[in-house]
Amino acid sequence: DIQMTQSPSSLSASVGDRVTITCRASQSISSYLNWYQQKPGKAPKLLIYAASSLQSGVPSRFSGSGSGTDFTLTISSLQPEDFATYYCQQSYSTPGTFGQGTRLEIK
Amino acid sequence: QVTLKESGPVLVKPTETLTLTCTVSGFSLSNARMGVSWIRQPPGKALEWLAHIFSNDEKSYSTSLKSRLTISKDTSKSQVVLTMTNMDPVDTATYYCARIESGSWGIVFDYWGQGTLVTVSS
Repeated sequence: DIQMTQSPSSLSASVGDRVTITCRASQSISSYLNWYQQKPGKAPKLLIYAASSLQSGVPSRFSGSGSGTDFTLTISSLQPEDFATYYCQQSYSTPGTFGQGTRLEIK
Repeated sequence: QVTLKESGPVLVKPTETLTLTCTVSGFSLSNARMGVSWIRQPPGKALEWLAHIFSNDEKSYSTSLKSRLTISKDTSKSQVVLTMTNMDPVDTATYYCARIESGSWGIVFDYWGQGTLVTVSS
């Protein structure tokens, strides 16, 4: 199975900050990388697929980049509703493994 | 409007078999490239993919749980069923079903159910 490693595990930031979360795959996955946002007590929500494609309805302050083994999720200007846990997931091969999550907290 | 809803017991005893049902609407389980996955999340922990099934009845299972899982679908009822045998307290988790649209970018979970918390305890 492909292992996905996110960093950092948690992050404190303020409204208006620019934030970057990193995801690394244990082998090359081309651009088969997706990002999800999960708020407490809620199901995950797809934000970005294919490393950089924004899912319909997702604000443009979210962006993704990378290919091969290294990927980033960037939030250009944090809004109060963005404080949540973020997961990356590879869709290169089955099982579609997830990262361990990055918890984004208010500073 | 695509929706998925999980149903099943909230409490199971150790060694029992868990049966969960995902009822979908807004799309058909017979649509090409459409599928449904089961994913679980222990309290405070990360997401873990369990199994998926596609419209052509192609199935796949988590390597570590394969011997305990069975996934099936009833297209006429718009339902996907997951059974997990020999439940243990470590299986306590919120269980989600999620839609897969398997396109050019592999298996992407674009819609999720609300999840159902299953506790394993005697």
